[in-house]
Amino acid sequence: DAKTTQPPSMDCAEGRAANLPCNHSTISGNEYVYWYRQIHSQGPQYIIHGLKNNETNEMASLIITEDRKSSTLILPHATLRDTAVYYCIADYTGTASKLTFGTGTRLQVTL
Amino acid sequence: KAGVTQTPRYLIKTRGQQVTLSCSPISGHRSVSWYQQTPGQGLQFLFEYFSETQRNKGNFPGRFSGRQFSNSRSEMNVSTLELGDSALYLCASSAAGFTYEQYFGPGTRLTVT
Repeated sequence: DAKTTQPPSMDCAEGRAANLPCNHSTISGNEYVYWYRQIHSQGPQYIIHGLKNNETNEMASLIITEDRKSSTLILPHATLRDTAVYYCIADYTGTASKLTFGTGTRLQVTL
Repeated sequence: KAGVTQTPRYLIKTRGQQVTLSCSPISGHRSVSWYQQTPGQGLQFLFEYFSETQRNKGNFPGRFSGRQFSNSRSEMNVSTLELGDSALYLCASSAAGFTYEQYFGPGTRLTVT
């Protein structure tokens, strides 16, 4: 599994876009990029995933560079409820049942 | 649709004892994975069961074991508990086949004294 590197913490003002970077320079061609988040004292929550193309869903957008060595998770209008630890995971999937979590980015959304 | 449930939510055990944790996946999900979360090691994959068979296994000692029943409910067992086994144990379920999402339960907080 490719190793990912994320900043340990970030701050974002409520209502602004939160852009969370992730480096996965050793990612292989068949590895997807997943994003999960963990709100304090809860189990992780799936956010989005992608392989090559940019992806968007109701929660976030995922921008993957053309060389696939890095990606950015975008929360377009962050709210206080988005305060959480965000995990970027690069993993081959057929079942997505065995995820390797790194240390993640602790996002603090403030008023 | 009900989410993943885990019982008990909190547990206190003594060193040397054994413990069994239970997980009920989302209805229709056949894959159940277990993770251990500690402040020092973060979230680590323990094992995954699919259709009553262990399909993947993480790097944990044999004291950690699990099983899955025909209704997809899963249990994990830790024998000869050590202080370092104190952790949040998370269960996650996913649908059969090609899927990208795991749905996590709230976890069981195990404290070993």
